[in-house]
Amino acid sequence: GQQLNQSPQSMFIQEGEDVSMNCTSSSIFNTWLWYKQDPGEGPVLLIALYKAGELTSNGRLTAQFGITRKDSFLNISASIPSDVGIYFCAGQSEYRGAQKLVFGQGTRLTINP
Amino acid sequence: ETGVTQTPRHLVMGMTNKKSLKCEQHLGHNAMYWYKQSAKKPLELMFVYNFKEQTENNSVPSRFSPECPNSSHLFLHLHTLQPEDSALYLCASSQAGRSAFFGQGTRLTVV
Repeated sequence: GQQLNQSPQSMFIQEGEDVSMNCTSSSIFNTWLWYKQDPGEGPVLLIALYKAGELTSNGRLTAQFGITRKDSFLNISASIPSDVGIYFCAGQSEYRGAQKLVFGQGTRLTINP
Repeated sequence: ETGVTQTPRHLVMGMTNKKSLKCEQHLGHNAMYWYKQSAKKPLELMFVYNFKEQTENNSVPSRFSPECPNSSHLFLHLHTLQPEDSALYLCASSQAGRSAFFGQGTRLTVV
């Protein structure tokens, strides 16, 4: 089946540092998504990328949809304590009117104050 | 609050029990999904419904039985589960061509 490789698996940083994580796939996706999940909660959508080469920002978050449609990265600038959590990338494809998501393994972000 | 509500949030059940998970969305979306999240594994798609019709069953064992009576409600009926079925079960919904929104999940423990 389709698989996404997300790296790094975990990050330990100081508050105020910038963060970068990425996802690669052997398959092409029409949409790339980035979600954040807090403990005991469901994933919350951070950024959606619908076009190859697209660079999109959401506050301190910036994500890009790779030109080959097989990769994406997420950057977080000037990290703060509430950025702690697990970040997931997901490749989305359309199938019979619905969206099928393939998720990466997640990047666990820990911030030292 | 994402507009997708799951109940219960936590469930403990024995292997011989029958229980149901419920999901409701108030977003007017046409598609609803069940995902399973186990420790140390990526989220796995289980079932997809589009306008109440099942369009995907990702080789899920028959002890998991989905039901979608309308575009706003989705159920997952559980019976004779195994301890390895313990996981976070997530419901999601989406509109055609747009990204999916997730509920908060049901933490299921099978004892």
